Amino acid sequence: NAGVTQTPKFRILKIGQSMTLQCAQDMNHNYMYWYRQDPGMGLKLIYYSVGAGITDKGEVPNGYNVSRSTTEDFPLRLELAAPSQTSVYFCASSYSGTGGTDTQYFGPGTRLTVL
Amino acid sequence: AQTVTQSQPEMSVQEAETVTLSCTYDTSESDYYLFWYKQPPSRQMILVIRQEAYKQQNATENRFSVNFQKAAKSFSLKISDSQLGDAAMYFCAYRRNGQNFVFGPGTRLSVLP
Repeated sequence: NAGVTQTPKFRILKIGQSMTLQCAQDMNHNYMYWYRQDPGMGLKLIYYSVGAGITDKGEVPNGYNVSRSTTEDFPLRLELAAPSQTSVYFCASSYSGTGGTDTQYFGPGTRLTVL
Repeated sequence: AQTVTQSQPEMSVQEAETVTLSCTYDTSESDYYLFWYKQPPSRQMILVIRQEAYKQQNATENRFSVNFQKAAKSFSLKISDSQLGDAAMYFCAYRRNGQNFVFGPGTRLSVLP
């Protein structure tokens, strides 16, 4: 049981480049989330998903896109990277429903720098 | 909208001593969950403890315990016998069933040898 995995761990992008941050969970969780954490700050929700095929915007969605074609995977797409997107990105998942604990489990994070 | 407040940006504690981190939240709901997460320098977010609002008994996990005061909307974390490995950012979080998590701004805990 790997939990929540994220790739890559580190990435440097040039302004205007695009990339996809991968996230996968093997706990059969229905909810998945993407957060960003800027230096010295708390977590800000970018996008979330309540199940395969369903996604919705969080607090800071501009400049990002997501998809959820399977229960396990929830990739985050950055289009036209900007220096303001320099941050650490966390993927998380939780199970809400009968027998669920509603506890959110986090991946190890991806440190992204845009130069 | 729900909010979570952590009024102590930084705290320090002597090794082997006890420290309490404060958290208050604002909600009109009666059924929800509260969490404390730890973020060490590795940046990994680690669940410390979880409390269900309908349970009156305070949650405990080894050296970690909470003081949950539902009427006061307060959810403090007590760390007993503090260890150097407890040094980290601590985030308080709220969640109502089916809704997104709301995180506090965090408290940075230093443990002094």
